[in-house]
Order: sequence, then C-alpha cells, then structure tokens
Amino acid sequence: NAGVTQTPKFQVLKTGQSMTLQCAQDMNHEYMSWYRQDPGMGLRLIHYSVGAGITDQGEVPNGYNVSRSTTEDFPLRLLSAAPSQTSVYFCASSYRRSVGSEQFFGPGTRLTVL
Amino acid sequence: GENVEQHPSTLSVQEGDSAVIKCTYSDSASNYFPWYKQELGKRPQLIIDIRSNVGEKKDQRIAVTLNKTAKHFSLHITETQPEDSAVYFCAVQGAQKLVFGQGTRLTINP
Repeated sequence: NAGVTQTPKFQVLKTGQSMTLQCAQDMNHEYMSWYRQDPGMGLRLIHYSVGAGITDQGEVPNGYNVSRSTTEDFPLRLLSAAPSQTSVYFCASSYRRSVGSEQFFGPGTRLTVL
Repeated sequence: GENVEQHPSTLSVQEGDSAVIKCTYSDSASNYFPWYKQELGKRPQLIIDIRSNVGEKKDQRIAVTLNKTAKHFSLHITETQPEDSAVYFCAVQGAQKLVFGQGTRLTINP
C-alpha cells in the first residue's frame, strides 16, 4: 500500500492564482481531512470528509474548497491564492470508528504564495 | 468549538531524564486523545493514544495520563534519548473533528 499520497511536494504561486492540491489514499479509509501547519500554530483543520459525497468545514476553511467524489481522493482547491496561505499542507485519513482512530498523514505540500 | 492548549511550547531536558507535556481541552464530550510526533521535515506520526474510559496507558518509555474531570491529559517520556528530539502534538477528538494543540519542541541534550 502507498498509504496517503500528496502532490505536488512543492508549489510557488502568485497572488490571485488558483490551484488544486491532490490527496489520495489506498487504505479504504472513510475519514479524510486537510490541515495546514504554520510555525507555532500546530496543525489547523481546514476541511474534512466522513465519506464520499460528504464534506464539512474545520477551523480555518475560508479561501479553500473541497469535494469528495470517491473514497480514495480528497482534493483541496485554493480559489484565489493569498500570501496568508503560505504554509505546509497535510492531508490525513483514518477509519471511522466509534471512539477515534489513528490518522495517517501524507508527506505534505509546501506552498509559497508571492 | 473545541479549544486545545498545549504547554510548554519548548522543552529541553538532559538525556536520560524525563519529559512531561500537558494539554488541556474545553469540550467535556471529547473522547479520544492521541499524541503525535513530528521529526524535522517529516509528517506527524501517532505515538500513543488514550480513550475516555481509560485513565492511563503505557507503551515502553512513553505514557499518557488522562484526567477527564479536570479536562487535561499529559505525555510522559522516561529515560529520554537523542532520537526523542522532535515536535510533539496533542490532539482531541469529539464527534468528528480532530483538533490539535500548538506543539512542543522537545530537545534532548547529550
């Protein structure tokens, strides 16, 4: 199994550009989520999905869109990039159980917005 | 929503000594409390977790304690080694969302 994969690994955007960060998992996990990691602020939840066709907002959803058309894929779209979105983005997935389960993280995408 | 506070933000200990990191949370309905370790340039990885019906859990040199009444839980690392140097994150999960603390940078001094 490849686990959780993310592309690209690095990306530089200009202010106002749009792009999609890709995330895929091959573990048949129901739960998928996107986090951004900024120095001193830990991992902040952007959006999450509990299954195909179901998404919801996390702590910092503004400026980002998601969709979940299949169990495997959970892309994150930046609508109009801003310098404040410069960050490292992690995708994660887990089984859905009644009382929590291990989140498996992807390798991350380092995004710089100029 | 859930609010998670993690302390300290940095911690430096001598090799062989113990390290303790504490997290507090706000939502009494939260029921799952994992700890993640992140080495420089790597992804976070689960090192230990505890559920709300358990007060303590150990795995070799690592232990987690939970006080649901006071709404705090702690990570204990004994006999620290250089490879324990990393950033550690606590997290709290309620119905669906997993919310992370701000992280603790642990440095083990030889």
